Order: sequence, then C-alpha cells, then structure tokens
Amino acid sequence: EADIYQTPRYLVIGTGKKITLECSQTMGHDKMYWYQQDPGMELHLIHYSYGVNSTEKGDLSSESTVSRIRTEHFPLTLESARPSHTSQYLCASSGDSTEAFFGQGTRLTVV
Amino acid sequence: GENVEQHPSTLSVQEGDSAVIKCTYSDSASNYFPWYKQELGKRPQLIIDIRSNVGEKKDQRIAVTLNKTAKHFSLHITETQPEDSAVYFCAASRSGGYNKLIFGAGTRLAVHP
Repeated sequence: EADIYQTPRYLVIGTGKKITLECSQTMGHDKMYWYQQDPGMELHLIHYSYGVNSTEKGDLSSESTVSRIRTEHFPLTLESARPSHTSQYLCASSGDSTEAFFGQGTRLTVV
Repeated sequence: GENVEQHPSTLSVQEGDSAVIKCTYSDSASNYFPWYKQELGKRPQLIIDIRSNVGEKKDQRIAVTLNKTAKHFSLHITETQPEDSAVYFCAASRSGGYNKLIFGAGTRLAVHP
C-alpha cells in the first residue's frame, strides 16, 4: 500500500549521541519535507528536498542534516543530540501542487 | 519569500455553530490550497483542497472559498460537532519542481457540547 513511513515512532536517547530518523515513501513523490512540531503547535519546516541530491534548509534553524540519495528515502541525522532537540519530527511527501502525506512522526526525547 | 498567514490562532465555538478560519498568501502565482486537520496525537491529514481555477468547493459540512484577487482563502465548517475539535492548517503552493508547500501557523478549534 502506498504510504509514508517513519521509524522509530518513539526514541529516548542520551545527550551527545548520534541519531538517524528514517523516512520512506512508496508514492514516487519528488518532494519530501521534515517538520519539527511541539504538540498541537505550528509545523516548523527544517529541511526540504525537491528531488534526488537536492536538499535545502527550512525556515527553522536546525543542527540536523539530511540526505536524498534515493527518491523514496529521506533520513534526518543529528550528530550530537541535546535536550533542546526534544520534540516531534514529522516527515511528509508530495507531488507538484498535490496533496502532502505525513508520516506518523517520531517523538524524540533527549535526556 | 512566500508566506501564509492564518487567523485566528484559537477558536472556540458551541456545538452546532459555524466556524471560519482565514488564510492569506503572498505569492500571487500560488495555485493549490489544501487544508489539513490534526487531531491530538495524530498526523495532519487533508480534509479539503481547492485549486486556483475555482472559487468555492464543498464537501458535506466543510467548504473552502478562494479570492485570488485578495489572495486569501477560508475554511468554513457548519454544524460543528465535538469531533471537529483539532488543529487546522492551511497551506499554499505553486507549480514547479522547485516549489514547496507553505503552511500557516495553525488554528486550534475547540467545539464545546
């Protein structure tokens, strides 16, 4: 079934650890997004990709990095996690001027 | 850069009343305007969308209107029910491989029984 998948759903990790949040979509969408969202609050765009090997930073400054080596895969990496990174991270994908689909999200807690 | 402003940030209504959420966009070339509903603890999901070649679209109790001249669009929910309580996001985008979907800041709607 065509969908967008995020793993893990929940992650508790110690300060200073390196983490990678996975996002994959099976809809063939060129555009993929990473948002940071505190519960019930604004969607803050932190990374955007409009195709393979094309990425740009979003409006909210983030210490994370992304890569887009394959159309379907858009992982986000934090080299050294800090408590300030505690949040929910939502991945999304869309076609050109079409509906965006969101993943279930990863709730990250850095202790 | 392109910007989407959304008002109000919070909205409280009585069950059965109507609710209206408004958005304005800055890019006159925008041609696609979706609305998303995010229930507590869940991911945002599309509830209705409209393209720039139409002025209004309805789906049961929800409707969206678009005024291209004024660059604003609105979500209308009639006969509100407690299950309509959620955060609603508007968004806008234009065609073209480089262009991305831009979201408003969201409106928290509370429907009281």
